[in-house]
Amino acid sequence: SQTIHQWPATLVQPVGSPLSLECTVEGTSNPNLYWYRQAAGRGLQLLFYSVGIGQISSEVPQNLSASRPQDRQFILSSKKLLLSDSGFYLCAWAQRGGVDEQFFGPGTRLTVL
Amino acid sequence: GDSVTQMEGPVTLSEEAFLTINCTYTATGYPSLFWYVQYPGEGLQLLLKATKADDKGSNKGFEATYRKETTSFHLEKGSVQVSDSAVYFCALSVPNSGYSTLTFGKGTMLLVSP
Repeated sequence: SQTIHQWPATLVQPVGSPLSLECTVEGTSNPNLYWYRQAAGRGLQLLFYSVGIGQISSEVPQNLSASRPQDRQFILSSKKLLLSDSGFYLCAWAQRGGVDEQFFGPGTRLTVL
Repeated sequence: GDSVTQMEGPVTLSEEAFLTINCTYTATGYPSLFWYVQYPGEGLQLLLKATKADDKGSNKGFEATYRKETTSFHLEKGSVQVSDSAVYFCALSVPNSGYSTLTFGKGTMLLVSP
């Protein structure tokens, strides 16, 4: 069966510091991968998606970036965090060419102080 | 563009009450429809789905019917439990070539009291 991992689970970072969040998927190959942010009291905002190694599409302009160095690894990064980057970050995967439901990881709670 | 509208919460019910959470959508193309559930501090879990008109998705006592004529996908459960307290998200997906993206509603919080 497929599983999706995210780490760290929680993170507290000062404004201006760098960020690296990691997501890995097991039990499948060639997945589509997604990063979402969920701000307090708001819905989910799609940040990035990837259909293959090195292929990243950005949905919203911001100071975040994403990379996919391996087939089942997806990384969310920032060089300098802003207060507004605080939120709950969710990684998801979907089977390429499947019914198009996405499966979510447990999330990372990021607090920028 | 595509959008999903859900009733605003919180929805507060007593145990064993009937639940309805309304969801309507706007989409170009022919979407698949989903309900996800998020328990406190956790990621989203797929609750049920429907991929074509008149399909009924069901799971754990929850059900929703894809109504193309009213562009709706309302979530229902006949008798809620305290353990159903969570945030429920309606979502749609319109596939592109090789990938699809989900458009979510803002979520509806359900609070069930004993």
